[in-house]
Amino acid sequence: GQQLNQSPQSMFIQEGEDVSMNCTSSSIFNTWLWYKQDPGEGPVLLIALYKAGELTSNGRLTAQFGITRKDSFLNISASIPSDVGIYFCAGQLLRGSNYKLTFGKGTLLTVNP
Amino acid sequence: NAGVTQTPKFQVLKTGQSMTLQCAQDMNHEYMSWYRQDPGMGLRLIHYSVGAGITDQGEVPNGYNVSRSTTEDFPLRLLSAAPSQTSVYFCASTQGPGGNQPQHFGDGTRLSIL
Repeated sequence: GQQLNQSPQSMFIQEGEDVSMNCTSSSIFNTWLWYKQDPGEGPVLLIALYKAGELTSNGRLTAQFGITRKDSFLNISASIPSDVGIYFCAGQLLRGSNYKLTFGKGTLLTVNP
Repeated sequence: NAGVTQTPKFQVLKTGQSMTLQCAQDMNHEYMSWYRQDPGMGLRLIHYSVGAGITDQGEVPNGYNVSRSTTEDFPLRLLSAAPSQTSVYFCASTQGPGGNQPQHFGDGTRLSIL
């Protein structure tokens, strides 16, 4: 089956620093999604990417859909303490009604004030 | 607007016991899924449904059953709980396939099997 490699596994940064994380896949996807999970809660969608090469921003977050369709990255600029959490990438390859998402293992972000 | 509601939030079972994890959504979404989340493993798909009466297996279906008798509800059943099923379980729903129909997640059920 499809596998996603998400890196880094964890990051410890100072408030104000920029952050970058990425996902690579052994096969192509036609949709990439980035989620954030706060402790004790379910994942919440941050950014969705639908086209190879697409660059999309959501406030301080920017994500790109790789040209090869096998990778995506997420950047967070000027980090703040509330950015703390686990960030997941997810890929989707649509075939008919098959809409299953494959998730990366997550990047744990810690922001020191 | 409740979104996706999961019950219970916490549960402790003994090996061999059975139980049902409930999931309900009030957004009239056709697609619903169950995931389990384990440390260092991310979220793995257990079962999913593309509409009432239709279910299919995900990545890790063994030991779990599902049914979808209504659009709103998608219960997950453990017939004989095993310690390996200790995990956090998330239910999600979406209107349809495609990234422009993002999944909405519940807050999870934390299940411990002794």
